[in-house]
Amino acid sequence: SQKIEQNSEALNIQEGKTATLTCNYTNYSPAYLQWYRQDPGRGPVFLLLIRENEKEKRKERLKVTFDTTLKQSLFHITASQPADSATYLCALKGPGGGSNYKLTFGKGTLLTVNP
Amino acid sequence: DSGVTQTPKHLITATGQRVTLRCSPRSGDLSVYWYQQSLDQGLQFLIQYYNGEERAKGNILERFSAQQFPDLHSELNLSSLELGDSALYFCASSRTSGGFNEQFFGPGTRLTVL
Repeated sequence: SQKIEQNSEALNIQEGKTATLTCNYTNYSPAYLQWYRQDPGRGPVFLLLIRENEKEKRKERLKVTFDTTLKQSLFHITASQPADSATYLCALKGPGGGSNYKLTFGKGTLLTVNP
Repeated sequence: DSGVTQTPKHLITATGQRVTLRCSPRSGDLSVYWYQQSLDQGLQFLIQYYNGEERAKGNILERFSAQQFPDLHSELNLSSLELGDSALYFCASSRTSGGFNEQFFGPGTRLTVL
């Protein structure tokens, strides 16, 4: 069956360091992958989308890689700040093509950046 | 602020009851998605509507139904409520139905079934 796994439920790092979050998937052939940030009690907020033919994408302090051979995406936050503390979710387009659009989310990784 | 509104913010009800959650998408967005988020299951896709028509279905129970109206707002109806239906329910919207669109999430409705 199809599965999305985010490497750990929680990750703690020191301010200024680079946070690296992992998203692994099985039995998918996604055309793209999305990353969202979610703060407690609030809706997810879109951060980045990377397509299967893109190896890497950057936005300010964020960097996402996508390795379709390893079936893995890495999400990096450089020069991390306490304000980056949140849950980060990866999401893949589900099965079915065309207009049968369904986004499947991983359970997320709770990142805590300590001052 | 994503531009997606959801009402009510909180809802407390009893088992066996029926409730309706309401969502207004961002201006110009034609697609609406409903998700359920509980602590153990994470964010689960329920159903998608595009311009009034159902487009994709996830793990939505038969006790749940949804619709999208001509003005593009959407309602999620939950009936014969059980304790396990307690969760955060999110609505999201996107410009079109295509998968490359980012989704904009509303603030959610927290449902508590007692």
